[in-house]
Amino acid sequence: EAGVAQSPRYKIIEKRQSVAFWCNPISGHATLYWYQQILGQGPKLLIQFQNNGVVDDSQLPKDRFSAERLKGVDSTLKIQPAKLEDSAVYLCASSTADQTRDRGRAFFGQGTRLTVV
Amino acid sequence: GNSVTQMEGPVTLSEEAFLTINCTYTATGYPSLFWYVQYPGEGLQLLLKATKADDKGSNKGFEATYRKETTSFHLEKGSVQVSDSAVYFCALRRNQGGKLIFGQGTELSVKP
Repeated sequence: EAGVAQSPRYKIIEKRQSVAFWCNPISGHATLYWYQQILGQGPKLLIQFQNNGVVDDSQLPKDRFSAERLKGVDSTLKIQPAKLEDSAVYLCASSTADQTRDRGRAFFGQGTRLTVV
Repeated sequence: GNSVTQMEGPVTLSEEAFLTINCTYTATGYPSLFWYVQYPGEGLQLLLKATKADDKGSNKGFEATYRKETTSFHLEKGSVQVSDSAVYFCALRRNQGGKLIFGQGTELSVKP
């Protein structure tokens, strides 16, 4: 079974530039999460989607971050303009509410490491 | 609010040593508790979980027991291997399908 796919794996940009990350969740997973993991810290939720609707974006810096999940499948996270403190690994995860052994379990992608210089 | 606190790392052990990584939490209600592991160059993987008080989660020789009276979920392994070297994250979740709240992670290094 294919896992959560993310791209790119690495990105280096200058401050004030824009950047976008892409995530393809596990097929059939209705819930998609974006987490930010700053070096030396645990992941922190930025936004959670249920299909193509937003469930929780309370910790998303909406003045510079945006995310969408068109058609309830793939998702894109954008930062514009980037700041030095946005340097982090951006993790995408997905889960299903279906009555299976993995119900509610979050599966994570490998992440995108962003460096803002 | 809801939070998770882990013991600070890095933790360095010799092969076959006993491992304990402490984790305590603050949460309203009855959260589910998790340990995730991140091996070098790989994504986060679920190691084990417990969904109610006194449950014991176990996997790959690792164990953790949900202790509501002490709000703890300490990770233990009787005999670590070099291949266990990774970063371990304790996490809680208030409801199924909800967000995970992570601790800061504990890096484990096992020497031959």
